[in-house]
Amino acid sequence: NAGVTQTPKFQVLKTGQSMTLQCAQDMNHEYMSWYRQDPGMGLRLIHYSVGAGITDQGEVPNGYNVSRSTTEDFPLRLLSAAPSQTSVYFCASRRSGGPGYNEQFFGPGTRLTVL
Amino acid sequence: GQNIDQPTEMTATEGAIVQINCTYQTSGFNGLFWYQQHAGEAPTFLSYNVLDGLEEKGRFSSFLSRSKGYSYLLLKELQMKDSASYLCAVSCVREAAGNKLTFGGGTRVLVKP
Repeated sequence: NAGVTQTPKFQVLKTGQSMTLQCAQDMNHEYMSWYRQDPGMGLRLIHYSVGAGITDQGEVPNGYNVSRSTTEDFPLRLLSAAPSQTSVYFCASRRSGGPGYNEQFFGPGTRLTVL
Repeated sequence: GQNIDQPTEMTATEGAIVQINCTYQTSGFNGLFWYQQHAGEAPTFLSYNVLDGLEEKGRFSSFLSRSKGYSYLLLKELQMKDSASYLCAVSCVREAAGNKLTFGGGTRVLVKP
């Protein structure tokens, strides 16, 4: 299993540009989430999904869109990039039940800089 | 909302013990998680507590007191590779447990020879 994969690893954008951060998992997990991590602020939830076709907002959803058309993929779209969106973005997934369901698996992260 | 507090940084010596405290204020508590994160890497799951008491897993133990809104992560027989940030995270009953977590700012632990 590849686990949770994210692309790209690094990205530099100009203010106003749009882009999509990709996230995929091959563990057949129902739950997937997007977090951003800024220095000294821990991880903050952007959006999450409890299954294909179902998404909801987290703590800091403004400026981001998500969709979940398949169990495997959960892309994050930046609509019009702003310098405040410079951060490290992590995608995570876990099962909805069963042994060890609370263990959340994180992808390697995408380091985004907005100029 | 939820409020989670943990120290910013701790330093300890190789072979020693370090205790990282986490206090939280939340309604509808549904579990507390500890994650380890090495610099430049993704967090990895360490432990989950939902009932009061101590959970031991090798050199790492995690304790929870729900009435006090308090948890700690105990790292024993410290090794150099334990130098990392340790993240405390809380889940509420209104949210899917483990999926929609609120994280503290993390405690950076530096292990010295």
